[in-house]
Amino acid sequence: GAVVSQHPSRVICKSGTSVKIECRSLDFQATTMFWYRQFPKKSLMLMATSNEGSKATYEQGVEKDKFLINHASLTLSTLTVTSAHPEDSSFYICSGAPRANTEAFFGQGTRLTVV
Amino acid sequence: QQQVKQSPQSLIVQKGGISIINCAYENTAFDYFPWYQQFPGKGPALLIAIRPDVSEKKEGRFTISFNKSAKQFSLHIMDSQPGDSATYFCAATGSGTYKYIFGTGTRLKVLA
Repeated sequence: GAVVSQHPSRVICKSGTSVKIECRSLDFQATTMFWYRQFPKKSLMLMATSNEGSKATYEQGVEKDKFLINHASLTLSTLTVTSAHPEDSSFYICSGAPRANTEAFFGQGTRLTVV
Repeated sequence: QQQVKQSPQSLIVQKGGISIINCAYENTAFDYFPWYQQFPGKGPALLIAIRPDVSEKKEGRFTISFNKSAKQFSLHIMDSQPGDSATYFCAATGSGTYKYIFGTGTRLKVLA
């Protein structure tokens, strides 16, 4: 199957700093990628849809200035958590699909801990 | 209409038993129904998927049963093994979209 690579897998940062998470589609071009947040023992919560060459679409309640998304190429989307606070600590996952209406592939996830 | 309801929330099965997880959807525009398996600290991985033109799909020990009229689909894990212990998510998508709607997840524990 297709591969989506997410980096880093774990990151610890201090409150007030920013953290960038990368999501790469290794063997397909992704015009659309998705960013999820997952709380312990919970389902995936869609945060935003990343669109190549245009602005991301954020779900209701997600602060676009806090979670900056850039999708500058067909194989790379980035999520930057700005001015991170302890409540931003979570598991962040990206996904992409080669075609619409078909299987999506997920990155390995990033465990963010803000201290 | 966009919800996918998943049950049970958790499931404990003896080794060798059958694990059954159910999902129900409302939006008739959905036409692709995957199941994902997630281990702690990892991203979800596609397990098996089905489209509404078939009522059942089997891959190894994993089977999806699909009931289009009832708008329900289920995952059956035959001969469940301790290594199957994970969280399982059903999902749905359709209408030419990339967007998935996920179920709430089922934590499966298979006892050795």
